[in-house]
Amino acid sequence: NAGVTQTPKFQVLKTGQSMTLQCAQDMNHEYMSWYRQDPGMGLRLIHYSVGAGITDQGEVPNGYNVSRSTTEDFPLRLLSAAPSQTSVYFCASSGGASGANVLTFGAGSRLTVL
Amino acid sequence: DAKTTQPTSMDCAEGRAANLPCNHSTISGNEYVYWYRQIHSQGPQYIIHGLKNNETNEMASLIITEDRKSSTLILPHATLRDTAVYYCIVRPGSGAGSYQLTFGKGTKLSVIP
Repeated sequence: NAGVTQTPKFQVLKTGQSMTLQCAQDMNHEYMSWYRQDPGMGLRLIHYSVGAGITDQGEVPNGYNVSRSTTEDFPLRLLSAAPSQTSVYFCASSGGASGANVLTFGAGSRLTVL
Repeated sequence: DAKTTQPTSMDCAEGRAANLPCNHSTISGNEYVYWYRQIHSQGPQYIIHGLKNNETNEMASLIITEDRKSSTLILPHATLRDTAVYYCIVRPGSGAGSYQLTFGKGTKLSVIP
């Protein structure tokens, strides 16, 4: 049982490049989400999904795109990277969206945009 | 959402109990109190959560006051590996905001040898 797996762990991009951060979970969780963490700050919600085919925006969605074609995977796409997107990205999943469901986080993906 | 107030930092001697306070004076009846910790820049690690009653698991105990306006996370025998930033989070049980965790700045706990 691997939990929540994120790839890559580290990535350096140039401004304007595109890339996809991968997130996979093997717990059959319906709910998945992406957060970003900037230095000295707490995590902020980017996008989330309550099930396959359903996604919605969080607090800071601009510049990011998501889709959810399977229960297991929830990739985060940067269409045209900007230096402001330099951050650590965390994927999280839970059995449901209600407050009683514990969110399990991945180890993170550290992105640097030059 | 209710907000939380935590001390910026705390020290604890290795082997002693670490008691981390959290104030959430505007908490609503259906809001849970969650505790997570983050070691270095690793992913946040779930510790414990509760609604009204005190809770205990293999990692920690959560003591919630009767009026639910504050809580304390207790690590019974702190080790050096418990050095981390600890986040107290109030999360609605249902409805708007229930799907996310709103992280503040947390408490930096340093366990001293």
